[in-house]
Amino acid sequence: QVQLVESGGGEVQPGRSLRLSCAASGFTFSFYGMHWVRQAPGKGLEWVALISYDGNTKYYEDSVKGRITISRDNSKNTLYLQMSSLRPDDTAVYYCAKGVAPRVIHDAFGVWGQGTMVTVSP
Amino acid sequence: QLVLTQSPSVSASLGASVKLTCTLSSGHSSYAIAWHRQQPEKGPRYLMKLNSDGTYINGDGIPDRFSGSSSGAERYLTISSLQSDDEADYYCQSWVTGLHVFGSGTRVTVL
Repeated sequence: QVQLVESGGGEVQPGRSLRLSCAASGFTFSFYGMHWVRQAPGKGLEWVALISYDGNTKYYEDSVKGRITISRDNSKNTLYLQMSSLRPDDTAVYYCAKGVAPRVIHDAFGVWGQGTMVTVSP
Repeated sequence: QLVLTQSPSVSASLGASVKLTCTLSSGHSSYAIAWHRQQPEKGPRYLMKLNSDGTYINGDGIPDRFSGSSSGAERYLTISSLQSDDEADYYCQSWVTGLHVFGSGTRVTVL
């Protein structure tokens, strides 16, 4: 079945870097746009970034621009989120999500991973 | 600027129906949205994509107790035959070029 499994979270100090991964299975990964969404403790969902099915189009939420890079390796069915200059307010569970329709850049999020926790603390 | 507005909470009895509302900001009344459910201590789950004309498609495995409808800038999620595991936070989501947004969520309590 369709599955997304995030990894790479952990506790890091402010200013450091971290790379998250999202392993996809059960569907043709290279056909779908992918997203990262985060949720701070006790808060709602916040969209972070998206990448088109072919990797050629990327968009970011304003507060992470310049600090976060989304990428994908379609040969490995894996999505990445490279985070640098981390701040305490980046502390959140990070989810990857798959678009509903193939080859559509902007769409509903049809499948979610289980999330990986990132804690930024001195 | 695309903004989605949801009521903070709603409660209903076991077996009853509940209707949640997501309101699109001015100028965005023709936009589609999606509904997602997040049970306590779990990740979100996609429920449906809902169009401005009221047509919707439920996600895989989502029972037809979950239905959608639209009126102007308002998008609705109706949950029928409320069950205990429907107690959760429900988020609406929409998008414009270069940006995706969520509503603040509605917490459903099953009495």
